[in-house]
Amino acid sequence: GESVGLHLPTLSVQEGDNSIINCAYSNSASDYFIWYKQESGKGPQFIIDIRSNMDKRQGQRVTVLLNKTVKHLSLQIAATQPGDSAVYFCAEYLAGGGADGLTFGKGTHLIIQP
Amino acid sequence: NAGVTQTPKFQVLKTGQSMTLQCAQDMNHNSMYWYRQDPGMGLRLIYYSASEGTTDKGEVPNGYNVSRLNKREFSLRLESAAPSQTSVYFCASSNRGPYHEQYFGPGTRLTVT
Repeated sequence: GESVGLHLPTLSVQEGDNSIINCAYSNSASDYFIWYKQESGKGPQFIIDIRSNMDKRQGQRVTVLLNKTVKHLSLQIAATQPGDSAVYFCAEYLAGGGADGLTFGKGTHLIIQP
Repeated sequence: NAGVTQTPKFQVLKTGQSMTLQCAQDMNHNSMYWYRQDPGMGLRLIYYSASEGTTDKGEVPNGYNVSRLNKREFSLRLESAAPSQTSVYFCASSNRGPYHEQYFGPGTRLTVT
């Protein structure tokens, strides 16, 4: 079954506000978690990743939080811009599984309102 | 540096026809992947190649074959297309493994009638 999912299929936020995109995972043994962004008509683009031994990782305007207790992952985007409009996927990876060990979620569509 | 390129961008096939989707990367990556993306579903792995000369099945390999022609190129072949293979196909590459950053191509939108 689907081991990686998203709480909301669509998220609408005002330009300049912060966005939080959530993801639940079911395999407590997963070692890595990755966020991808996919703009309309394009291939996915890597945003940020986090290892299971970390709780938080920050990038440029993005922060990923990992809560292993409740098996929850979130992507925070600060001061959202029109260019942030896209579908965001989380993915989890179980070490030792080869490329098969990577499972993608269905995605959340982030819409930025002007 | 073009990254990952895919051809064609769009294709319409009739049931039973065959075709090959081409993929090339210029980043000297070892690993390459083929995914399909269907509405309401996450990316699903069809085949992957961990290094030149090796290929392995992913989650949904039935109806497809692949060839890792050299380090740069990884092609996906549909021998006898079926409507269930209507999808958007993405090729990707990475340097050190699937959990590291994968670089995706722009995709091929395939319709099988």
